[in-house]
Amino acid sequence: EAAVTQSPRNKVAVTGGKVTLSCNQTNNHNNMYWYRQDTGHGLRLIHYSYGAGSTEKGDIPDGYKASRPSQENFSLILELATPSQTSVYFCASGEPGQDTQYFGPGTRLLVL
Amino acid sequence: GDSVTQTEGPVTVSESESLIINCTYSATSIAYPNLFWYVRYPGEGLQLLLKVITAGQKGSSRGFEATYNKETTSFHLQKASVQESDSAVYYCALGRTGGNNKLTFGQGTVLSVIP
Repeated sequence: EAAVTQSPRNKVAVTGGKVTLSCNQTNNHNNMYWYRQDTGHGLRLIHYSYGAGSTEKGDIPDGYKASRPSQENFSLILELATPSQTSVYFCASGEPGQDTQYFGPGTRLLVL
Repeated sequence: GDSVTQTEGPVTVSESESLIINCTYSATSIAYPNLFWYVRYPGEGLQLLLKVITAGQKGSSRGFEATYNKETTSFHLQKASVQESDSAVYYCALGRTGGNNKLTFGQGTVLSVIP
């Protein structure tokens, strides 16, 4: 039974539109992460959270916002989507003090 | 900053042949990083394959092995005899315990095993 799920799995958006990617975890982990992965690049950290109500900027936060309304849910928000945000997005969870992270299956986003 | 470089893919290997995927790292902010190999099978999320936190130690899982070499700053992934089911994307990563537990990933290596 998958402990980290993401929705939608695939999304096509228009330039300038708003996109929300959702992540849910049943691991009861405090930390959650959003990454993107592009061909030729490793996973790059966009935003992360230490717990409900907390969001922190990662390495590439520009153009993205995050929301952590509860322990289980962590959303990534693209207020004005651009074609450069076409990518595969991964959500992960982990425990403080433990660097092993547990990943969702990914969301493939295409911005036209 | 920290960085991880791994074998450019795609890598194609015949079943039962041996495999090595190279990984080297640069850890400017961490004296002794923890080193990981993650694997992503088609349609699934990344999952931890193996992890080593002590220099000189070897980790192993599912027939794969990797040794933490601090002198050469390497963490190469090896398997003596691959199977078709090993076809996946493999990611080398470094991290540290504490703080935000951030991981720095390599670009991933696509492995295709031909039956």
